Amino acid sequence: GQQLNQSPQSMFIQEGEDVSMNCTSSSIFNTWLWYKQEPGEGPVLLIALYKAGELTSNGRLTAQFGITRKDSFLNISASIPSDVGIYFCAGTRNYGGSQGNLIFGKGTKLSVKP
Amino acid sequence: KAGVTQTPRYLIKTRGQQVTLSCSPISGHRSVSWYQQTPGQGLQFLFEYFSETQRNKGNFPGRFSGRQFSNSRSEMNVSTLELGDSALYLCASSLGLNTGELFFGEGSRLTVL
Repeated sequence: GQQLNQSPQSMFIQEGEDVSMNCTSSSIFNTWLWYKQEPGEGPVLLIALYKAGELTSNGRLTAQFGITRKDSFLNISASIPSDVGIYFCAGTRNYGGSQGNLIFGKGTKLSVKP
Repeated sequence: KAGVTQTPRYLIKTRGQQVTLSCSPISGHRSVSWYQQTPGQGLQFLFEYFSETQRNKGNFPGRFSGRQFSNSRSEMNVSTLELGDSALYLCASSLGLNTGELFFGEGSRLTVL
């Protein structure tokens, strides 16, 4: 079945550093999304991307929909301790009338050292 | 606006038992999806309900079932529990279909002994 390859699996950085993570697929997606999950919580939607080449920001977070439609990138600038969590990418082709066609990556675990 | 509410938050069962988990979606959301999250497999789609109808089903055995009520609240049931069913079960609601924009609850953590 379809898979998303998310990298890196984990990151341990110093507060104030910038962070980059990415997600690739062998399949084309029409929508890319990035979620963040903090300990003891469910994932929360950070950014949704709907168009190839689109660059969208949400505060210190910036995500891009790859031009090939097979990848997406998430950058976090000037990291702070509350950025700690697991970041998941997700992709969908928006068909079939179901959210069940949404595919999740395995996540990037971010740790921030004050 | 209240978020997605899942009950219970934590539960412990023994092998062979069955369990029912409940999910109340955000008001106005008619789509409810269920996911199983484990460290090894990540987020795996179980099933989705919309207007009381199952729209899609993941690759899980028949021991896993669900339903949705007319008020959009949903339940999932796992029968004949196995050790490998220990996981965080997440419910997510959404306003529409196909969007990928899900609002997750905090999950129900199931431990099977």
